[in-house]
Amino acid sequence: AQSVTQLGSHVSVSEGALVLLRCNYSSSVPPYLFWYVQYPNQGLQLLLKYTSAATLVKGINGFEAEFKKSETSFHLTKPSAHMSDAAEYFCAVSKAAGNKLTFGGGTRVLVKP
Amino acid sequence: EPEVTQTPSHQVTQMGQEVILRCVPISNHLYFYWYRQILGQKVEFLVSFYNNEISEKSEIFDDQFSVERPDGSNFTLKIRSTKLEDSAMYFCASREDRGNEQYFGPGTRLTVT
Repeated sequence: AQSVTQLGSHVSVSEGALVLLRCNYSSSVPPYLFWYVQYPNQGLQLLLKYTSAATLVKGINGFEAEFKKSETSFHLTKPSAHMSDAAEYFCAVSKAAGNKLTFGGGTRVLVKP
Repeated sequence: EPEVTQTPSHQVTQMGQEVILRCVPISNHLYFYWYRQILGQKVEFLVSFYNNEISEKSEIFDDQFSVERPDGSNFTLKIRSTKLEDSAMYFCASREDRGNEQYFGPGTRLTVT
């Protein structure tokens, strides 16, 4: 079975500061990994995905994530937070392309002016 | 940009009543999914659907649940006799034939009283 752990249900950052959201996964097969963002009253929007190509993945809105197999991690970063980054972020894993997604608990990001 | 839509945005029903949640996937997508998120909990996979058949379902998806693609555009989730614990946000997702990215709708908030 697959699982995802997101450390920290809430993260508060200052505008312009680094955003770091942690995700660790468990998978018996090489995983496909995803980060989704959910803005208030909206659906889940894909930020980026890892599908066994480059380990450093760049996504939308200046976010990137690095797949580290030895650490079973897929942490999400953004060098400089913007007020518009305030949202909830979900890490997810699947065992094959298009298979069901297993989600982490989510991390809510608050950006302070 | 094409998007997944869901109706209604909020549904209130009494325990024991039947509800149908509706989704319109992106038009050229062939794979469809339902997920749910109980307040304060993780997003959970319910069912996947392809070629007019269920391809995978979770333990949550018991006999009270059913899915259907009644025409070429809609994808529905029916709960036959709702329980209080069915109260959740229900997300529909779809993906294209060769893609590994699932596109999510905005969700339907179901409240069972």
